[in-house]
Amino acid sequence: AQTVTQSQPEMSVQEAETVTLSCTYDTSESDYYLFWYKQPPSRQMILVIRQEAYKQQNATENRFSVNFQKAAKSFSLKISDSQLGDAAMYFCAYRSQETSGSRLTFGEGTQLTVNP
Amino acid sequence: EPEVTQTPSHQVTQMGQEVILRCVPISNHLYFYWYRQILGQKVEFLVSFYNNEISEKSEIFDDQFSVERPDGSNFTLKIRSTKLEDSAMYFCASRMGRSEQYFGPGTRLTVT
Repeated sequence: AQTVTQSQPEMSVQEAETVTLSCTYDTSESDYYLFWYKQPPSRQMILVIRQEAYKQQNATENRFSVNFQKAAKSFSLKISDSQLGDAAMYFCAYRSQETSGSRLTFGEGTQLTVNP
Repeated sequence: EPEVTQTPSHQVTQMGQEVILRCVPISNHLYFYWYRQILGQKVEFLVSFYNNEISEKSEIFDDQFSVERPDGSNFTLKIRSTKLEDSAMYFCASRMGRSEQYFGPGTRLTVT
């Protein structure tokens, strides 16, 4: 079974600075997706960014980018020019493309605080 | 922009009672999911549903849980006899093809 690990329960960053959240995963599959979801205090799950494993290019969405290292099974999220609205819990998630159903497997989450 | 909706937003029930949580997935999506999140913990997969049947379920999804798509729009999760440990946020999600899953706002279930 796949596992996702986020080793940083809490992170903090100054407004306008850059922060990187770490995620590692374990899988024997070659075709899969990786995601970062943001969960603000409202507890809504909001997709931040996704990465297809077959793509070598790292995904980017405005101030959010990933560093995808397939061989190392690492998938970190970089937030540039941090804003107060970025404060939330961030979850890394894995989804197989090789099994039916294609559940999301989540990490434990990283609580990000943005200091003004 | 289309979105997944869930009702109610908060449900309080007594232990042993049955509850039905309702979801309306995005209209052209084909895959439907239920997840739960106990307060302070990670999001856990419960069940996936495709072509009017369960395609995958987790060990959490035991005989007290069931899912149904009673019509062309609703997707429901029933808990037959609630326990205190069922208190959690329940999220519905849907997707189309290889796309990402879109989550609803969640239903907070409190079992007293």
